[in-house]
Parts: sequence; C-alpha cells; structure tokens
Amino acid sequence: AQSVTQLGSHVSVSEGALVLLRCNYSSSVPPYLFWYVQYPNQGLQLLLKYTTGATLVKGINGFEAEFKKSETSFHLTKPSAHMSDAAEYFCAVSVINTGNQFYFGTGTSLTVIP
Amino acid sequence: GAVVSQHPSRVICKSGTSVKIECRSLDFQATTMFWYRQFPKKSLMLMATSNEGSKATYEQGVEKDKFLINHASLTLSTLTVTSAHPEDSSFYICSARATGIDNQPQHFGDGTRLSIL
Repeated sequence: AQSVTQLGSHVSVSEGALVLLRCNYSSSVPPYLFWYVQYPNQGLQLLLKYTTGATLVKGINGFEAEFKKSETSFHLTKPSAHMSDAAEYFCAVSVINTGNQFYFGTGTSLTVIP
Repeated sequence: GAVVSQHPSRVICKSGTSVKIECRSLDFQATTMFWYRQFPKKSLMLMATSNEGSKATYEQGVEKDKFLINHASLTLSTLTVTSAHPEDSSFYICSARATGIDNQPQHFGDGTRLSIL
C-alpha cells in the first residue's frame, strides 16, 4: 500500500529565508512523486514531479525537490521565500498499475513573514 | 499545459436542491477523472473515480446514490449532489489524467464551493 506523510502541518518562514517542506512516502514499488500548491478557494496546481531519471527536479516558481530512495523522501525546497509563496502545499504519490490513483499527504500550510 | 475546467465555481442553494458540477479536460482525453471533497484546512478526500463509459468507483463511506457521477465522454465528467443538505456544503474538486500515460500528473480544476442553506 502507498501512503504519504507530510511532517509539519504549518511552516512559517521569513521572507527571503529558505523554504523546506518535508514529504516521506511509503511504497513497495518505485513511485511517481508530485508536489502541488493550492491557493485559497482554488484547485491544485502542479509544482513539479518526479517519474524517472534525475533525482533533483526543478519546478515552477523557483521550487525544487529531490527524490531520495534510501530515505523514502521527496522534500520541497526554495532558496528564498516570497510573500506570494504563502499557500497550502500537498505531496502526492502515484504508482503504476494502481488505477491511476493518487495518494495525498495531509498538506502543509506555508506562512511567509515579512 | 493541460487544463481542466470545472463549473460552476460557486453554488449557493436551498436544502433539498440537486446540484450538478461539471469537469472538462480541455486539451487532452481522460478515460479517468477523479472527484475530491475538501473540508476547511483539511487534505483532499477522494470520493470516487469516474470511468468513461462505465460506472464510477466510489470510496468507502461515500453514498453513490447521493453523489451521482456520469462520465459520458473522454472530456467530461459530472458530479450531481442529489437532495443536498447543509452537511454537503464543502469544496469539491475534480481532476483528470491523460489517458494511457501512467507517469503523468493529475490536473485539477479550480474547485466548486458548494453552500447549502
């Protein structure tokens, strides 16, 4: 079975500081991993994804994430936070042959302090 | 990029009304679409998987007679909340994934805020 754990339901950083949002997954087979961002009263927007190949993936808005198989992690980072980064972030895992179903983490709310 | 359109974005109606929400994939075909419900400050709860040309697969605890799903074409799925009551008030989000490509992400609509008075 697949599952996703996001440590820290709320993260606060100062503007210009490093953003680190944690995601660990559980999967018995190689996973596909995704990060989504959700702004208030909107749907989810894809930030980045890992499927195969390079383990460090770059996404939109300056975000990147690194797939670490040994740690079963896919943490999201951004070197310098902007006020506009304040939102809810969801990590998700998908596995081949599971009917395309995604498994979402519980989300991390990011606050950026001016 | 891939776009999913969800309509309406907001509905306010009286208790007992049935409400239909549409989810369209605008530039790709989607054999499978997904319907989620999101409570305030909570994660997404998968309600059902909508399959083109066949019956939807509902998650445990979701009433299929309450939440009717129709996926009549490769680009359109609808969710009808029948005889809605205040406890059905929530944010409903659909998503779609391109047919036949396992490693593709789900693309989400902008959600529908349903408020039942």
